[in-house]
Amino acid sequence: KAGVTQTPRYLIKTRGQQVTLSCSPISGHRSVSWYQQTPGQGLQFLFEYFSETQRNKGNFPGRFSGRQFSNSRSEMNVSTLELGDSALYLCASSGRQGFTYNEQFFGPGTRLTVL
Amino acid sequence: QKEVEQNSGPLSVPEGAIASLNCTYSDRGSQSFFWYRQYSGKSPELIMFIYSNGDKEDGRFTAQLNKASQYVSLLIRDSQPSDSATYLCAVNIKTGANNLFFGTGTRLTVIP
Repeated sequence: KAGVTQTPRYLIKTRGQQVTLSCSPISGHRSVSWYQQTPGQGLQFLFEYFSETQRNKGNFPGRFSGRQFSNSRSEMNVSTLELGDSALYLCASSGRQGFTYNEQFFGPGTRLTVL
Repeated sequence: QKEVEQNSGPLSVPEGAIASLNCTYSDRGSQSFFWYRQYSGKSPELIMFIYSNGDKEDGRFTAQLNKASQYVSLLIRDSQPSDSATYLCAVNIKTGANNLFFGTGTRLTVIP
């Protein structure tokens, strides 16, 4: 099976702009979670989508939003970019639902730089 | 208090030795526990998961879970230079959800 894919891999934006990142999960996986990784804060959960619905949300401002399509592909959007949004954005897909353990598999990430 | 804490390291071990990585978590209701390996410039790669008290072995890796002490560890036997990476402990506190809390990671260096 192909792994999780993310596009674009690298992105440079300026403050105030908005950005959209895309994630295609492993075939058959219906859950997509998004994480932000920075040197200072580490890996932090943004939100999770399952069957086109946001099921869980982390502690990020409303500038961070997402959606999921019927084919399970997901996008996340960040509006009014700030310098502190510079990070590696990772998505992870999971094929298990309702189990005690749900292994998540990460994509390669999108490196966002805000100037 | 952070949900998941790890020794930040760095941890250095000679080739062939056992590397021991430790993690504690604060939510007693946590359900499942994961170890990820992250090479520099790469995304996290799942190594093991564990959800029952005790040991779980997979090749050179052994995960250990003690829910009473809220402690999870990863042992790497016969450490190889290719094991040099940052190891991330992650905890899922909610059954059925895909929302992981990560520790800050332990940087491991295996010296040839």
